[in-house]
Amino acid sequence: KNEVEQSPQNLTAQEGEFITINCSYSVGISALHWLQQHPGGGIVSLFMLSSGKKKHGRLIATINIQEKHSSLHITASHPRDSAVYICAVAIGAQKLVFGQGTRLTINP
Amino acid sequence: GEEVAQTPKHLVRGEGQKAKLYCAPIKGHSYVFWYQQVLKNEFKFLISFQNENVFDETGMPKERFSAKCLPNSPCSLEIQATKLEDSAVYFCASSLGGAEETQYFGPGTRLLVL
Repeated sequence: KNEVEQSPQNLTAQEGEFITINCSYSVGISALHWLQQHPGGGIVSLFMLSSGKKKHGRLIATINIQEKHSSLHITASHPRDSAVYICAVAIGAQKLVFGQGTRLTINP
Repeated sequence: GEEVAQTPKHLVRGEGQKAKLYCAPIKGHSYVFWYQQVLKNEFKFLISFQNENVFDETGMPKERFSAKCLPNSPCSLEIQATKLEDSAVYFCASSLGGAEETQYFGPGTRLLVL
């Protein structure tokens, strides 16, 4: 079993739908990252969380440290949100351990 | 610079040849990380540096992989005697405060071993 599990692995939705991607982890962490990998391969950091909730535009990320679970939400989804979303946990300051990614496709 | 730079963008090597990849972190960032992504799949951590010191190398296949971050030079990742399974995209990332801070990723180097 992977230390970081994401679900679903693939998600297809219609434009405007509310999207939720989940991440569960089994190790002690010091922070959790949500990353976006564009179809061209570039990687952008969306959020870094150690507790609570963060919001940036239409994106919201939450983390529950006790339950070892985080969610990434996208409101009013748009085709340009189509990408792979990756959850990664920080093991101390030394390294990240990655989930397998969620491939999101938003159809117009 | 304001972006993480990686060179080359693409690298093709015959099996058994050496490959060397470079990464220039964002100016002022003390931490550098190398990750390997095989076939658009899961990322694997290789090694991290705090300035020129190895911070964590638990992901490195040490018999063929080595890495350095020397002062006033780009960081480097070198693979001696490449194997077919080394074909991957190698990403470098830098941050101000280690893995607990926002990481800024370079565009990656795509290595193809034939």
